[in-house]
Amino acid sequence: RKEVEQDPGPFNVPEGATVAFNCTYSNSASQSFFWYRQDCRKEPKLLMSVYSSGNEDGRFTAQLNRASQYISLLIRDSKLSDSATYLCVVRSGTYKYIFGTGTRLKVLA
Amino acid sequence: ETGVTQSPTHLIKTRGQQVTLRCSSQSGHNTVSWYQQALGQGPQFIFQYYREEENGRGNFPPRFSGLQFPNYSSELNVNALELDDSALYLCASSLADRGDTQYFGPGTRLTVL
Repeated sequence: RKEVEQDPGPFNVPEGATVAFNCTYSNSASQSFFWYRQDCRKEPKLLMSVYSSGNEDGRFTAQLNRASQYISLLIRDSKLSDSATYLCVVRSGTYKYIFGTGTRLKVLA
Repeated sequence: ETGVTQSPTHLIKTRGQQVTLRCSSQSGHNTVSWYQQALGQGPQFIFQYYREEENGRGNFPPRFSGLQFPNYSSELNVNALELDDSALYLCASSLADRGDTQYFGPGTRLTVL
């Protein structure tokens, strides 16, 4: 079993739709959680950190469920510019950041 | 922009050669991590440097080595290149005692022929 698992997609959704991604992790001692966005052939960029209490940034909402060991990302009112790969990242230990393979999102006009 | 820079942008090498990739971290960041991202995969952790010392390592062979300098810039060296080393190499900087968010540079795309 991979340490961090994501559905690779692609998710093809129309503009204005709401889309949700999940990510599961295997190490119950994991300490920090993030969502990064990566555009084609570019570097990953931090989208948001994920906290147990959940956090929201505009159209984006992230949730952490430690009991079930998954994190989620919800995107409301999808825009064409949201088309990208979304990477789930889990930190286990001082330095070990583990990335999922990413979920591809394509928002269609 | 994150303020993390990498050089070169692209590089083509042949099997058996050696390569050095460079990274300048964001101002004030004392921790640099290196990742390898193959096509269609997420970044894989190679190693991390904190204050010029290797702070942790992923599942990469010893022919992957690194350095961090007093100004916190860093190098990744790969010896005896193999075809499977073809990938995007990313460095990420962070400030160890200010939370652990990592900021990535634009990457170096290495092609091994």
